[in-house]
Amino acid sequence: GAGVSQTPSNKVTEKGKYVELRCDPISGHTALYWYRQSLGQGPEFLIYFQGTGAADDSGLPNDRFFAVRPEGSVSTLKIQRTERGDSAVYLCASAGAGTPNEQFFGPGTRLTVL
Amino acid sequence: AQTVTQSQPEMSVQEAETVTLSCTYDTSESDYYLFWYKQPPSRQMILVIRQEAYKQQNATENRFSVNFQKAAKSFSLKISDSQLGDAAMYFCAYRATSGTYKYIFGTGTRLKVLA
Repeated sequence: GAGVSQTPSNKVTEKGKYVELRCDPISGHTALYWYRQSLGQGPEFLIYFQGTGAADDSGLPNDRFFAVRPEGSVSTLKIQRTERGDSAVYLCASAGAGTPNEQFFGPGTRLTVL
Repeated sequence: AQTVTQSQPEMSVQEAETVTLSCTYDTSESDYYLFWYKQPPSRQMILVIRQEAYKQQNATENRFSVNFQKAAKSFSLKISDSQLGDAAMYFCAYRATSGTYKYIFGTGTRLKVLA
């Protein structure tokens, strides 16, 4: 596609449920980032993939959060046992070659945990 | 740990005028990148301008320019001839050149452009 896409655009779930958020990066981009953006805040780094592997997952807040990118393209952010504090916009960005690899952001998924 | 601070939650500028958004950062690294991103109401973040710390010359992109003061750890964005389409949230961001590809963002400045 022409840009980074994220699905769903909005997700409402109940506390304790499991959710998956999907990111389709720009074709050919090897780097992929996940961020969490709470209301009135800047994006907070969660995890960075280079190809299929997580090169830096230091931003994942706890073991309820997990992300995969099995074939080096599409990535899924998985959140188990959701809590109300997980409510935020989750942003994905992809980047190609070059230093620094310029990020292209998707429109985000707004997650609301009731 | 690296931090990025934007002390102006909101700024206003008259159309066609010039406005400067402030950003300070803290790092012990000597080489790094600094960025300004724009986030309109549609939520999609767009890169406005980028500065490599080893370059003394300030970056410019059309109406957008930066004032990079490495010793003061300051990185301000100047928008000239402001347009209604410039209204958005602006985020300053930092990334080291080695060790990690983590980007650290400030809390943002909301820019309003008055007609």
